[in-house]
This record gives sequence, C-alpha cells and structure tokens, in this order.
Amino acid sequence: RKEVEQDPGPFNVPEGATVAFNCTYSNSASQSFFWYRQDCRKEPKLLMSVYSSGNEDGRFTAQLNRASQYISLLIRDSKLSDSATYLCVVDTGGYQKVTFGTGTKLQVIP
Amino acid sequence: DVKVTQSSRYLVKRTGEKVFLECVQDMDHENMFWYRQDPGLGLRLIYFSYDVKMKEKGDIPEGYSVSREKKERFSLILESASTNQTSMYLCASSTPKSNQPQHFGDGTRLSIL
Repeated sequence: RKEVEQDPGPFNVPEGATVAFNCTYSNSASQSFFWYRQDCRKEPKLLMSVYSSGNEDGRFTAQLNRASQYISLLIRDSKLSDSATYLCVVDTGGYQKVTFGTGTKLQVIP
Repeated sequence: DVKVTQSSRYLVKRTGEKVFLECVQDMDHENMFWYRQDPGLGLRLIYFSYDVKMKEKGDIPEGYSVSREKKERFSLILESASTNQTSMYLCASSTPKSNQPQHFGDGTRLSIL
C-alpha cells in the first residue's frame, strides 16, 4: 500500500458545484496533514492544514478521519479559478518530513 | 510571508556536467528540502537538512549531493548530470515545530541534453 493515495481524477465539475476529494494514508502515527494546491507548471502552495476536529476556510472544508486513516477536502460553490491539482500531504517522520500524494486534478467547467 | 527563492526557473545542461541548483529562504527556517517532481510520480524527496552542515538522504538521493553551509541556503548538486535527471526541482523550507507546513520556491525546470 502506498503511504499516501489519491484518486488522480480528473474531476470535471460545473461552476457552482460541490466537489469532494479523499486521500488515504498508511501510517497510523501521522500527526500533521495538509492540502496543497498546484497550478500547471507552478510550485505547490499551501491551501490549508487539516485539524483533528475538522476546519473550514471560506468555501473549503477539511476533515480528518483517524479511524479510517483518510483526510478529505470539500469545495463548495466551485469557481473556474479552483481548477488545479490538489495534493494531499501527510507527515511520515521527524524533521517535518512529509509524503505527498500524486494529486487529484480538478477542472471546473463554465 | 515566507520567501523561498530558487536561482533559476529554467536550466539546460549537458550530460556529464556538474550542475548546481541554489535555494535561499528568508524566514530563518531550520529545515530545508529538495524534491523532484515528475508526471505520474508526484514529489519525491531527494535530500533534506535540519541544520547547518547537517543533511539526510531522502527517498531518491542517488546521483545527487547537497550542501548547507549557511542556514538560509541549501544547494543541490548533480555530480554528473544524466538525461534521467531531467525534471522539475523544488526547494522547500519549514520550521521544526509540529504541524507547520513546508513552503516552496518557484521550482527549477532542468533539462539535461
């Protein structure tokens, strides 16, 4: 089993739709979880951290399910500008070493 | 805002050359990382450093070395470049505090001919 797994997509959704991505991780001792966004040919940028109780930032909601070892990202009222690849990131060792998922591609269609 | 600066956005080198990629961060971060990103494989850790002059191998260190002489600067060295090292190289930094994310530079798109 891969350390971090994501559905590569693409997810093609119309503007205004709600879309959710899941990401599973294998290390039950992981403590830090993040979602990054990466635009084509650009660097990954932090979208949000994921906290145990779940957290929200505007149209974005992140959840953590430790029992089933997955995190999720929900995007409400999708915008064209949300089109990007979303990377799930999980810590896997000391010194803030992390493992990146290969990403889920989202395409928001007019 | 954290600023991580990589020396080149695009670089073209020849097989067998020694290649230096430079990364500088301005946030006094202890941890610095070098990744490469290839289609379908995601980001893979090459080397990281948690302090000046300290370095640790990541998942794919073969063919690479690193140098961290100053806290703000972390260099990646391709000892003898090969075509399979053509890739996007990304530098990141972070603090050692828990639950702190890594911050990335713009990336260097390196082509080895």
